[in-house]
Amino acid sequence: EPEVTQTPSHQVTQMGQEVILRCVPISNHLYFYWYRQILGQKVEFLVSFYNNEISEKSEIFDDQFSVERPDGSNFTLKIRSTKLEDSAMYFCASSVRGQGFPGELFFGEGSRLTVL
Amino acid sequence: GQSLEQPSEVTAVEGAIVQINCTYQTSGFYGLSWYQQHDGGAPTFLSYNALDGLEETGRFSSFLSRSDSYGYLLLQELQMKDSASYFCADPGGGNKLTFGTGTQLKVEL
Repeated sequence: EPEVTQTPSHQVTQMGQEVILRCVPISNHLYFYWYRQILGQKVEFLVSFYNNEISEKSEIFDDQFSVERPDGSNFTLKIRSTKLEDSAMYFCASSVRGQGFPGELFFGEGSRLTVL
Repeated sequence: GQSLEQPSEVTAVEGAIVQINCTYQTSGFYGLSWYQQHDGGAPTFLSYNALDGLEETGRFSSFLSRSDSYGYLLLQELQMKDSASYFCADPGGGNKLTFGTGTQLKVEL
């Protein structure tokens, strides 16, 4: 069964360092997303990406964050200068259609980011 | 703004039926999805209600009432493996899934 894969599963970094989280969405999906979940809290939307551009982003997704689809398979989230409050589980997701339709997103297992 | 509120925790016994409620206040409400999450892992899609009424998928059913801004997930014949967190979510009219506060379900013997 096709699945969304994410690497690394866990990354520890020092405050102020740059981090890149990688995702391989399901191959025939067209919409890609990043969400995050701070421990014990709800899942929060960060950004959606379609046709090689950002289609929507939340207020969390400030100038420190960027996304890229560098090739036909990978989808990356970059945090330029990490802060302690960026510590969270980051989930990549993909879907066949945009979220205006049945909200079936396929999520990866997540990348846990710990900022020290 | 958008908010979807759920009880933080529900406990039930194996074999029982449990209902997890979700009340929402959203602008441009589109419909209600439900996701399951085990131990902080990947959220997994369970169901989607675009229209009022009950949708049934095996042991799980989901209900929506737009007039009451309310929905619920009904789990029947509970099994130990159903112990997980459950989130309602609004897909929105755009490309942004807004999740509820989440309910941790504990199934006991």
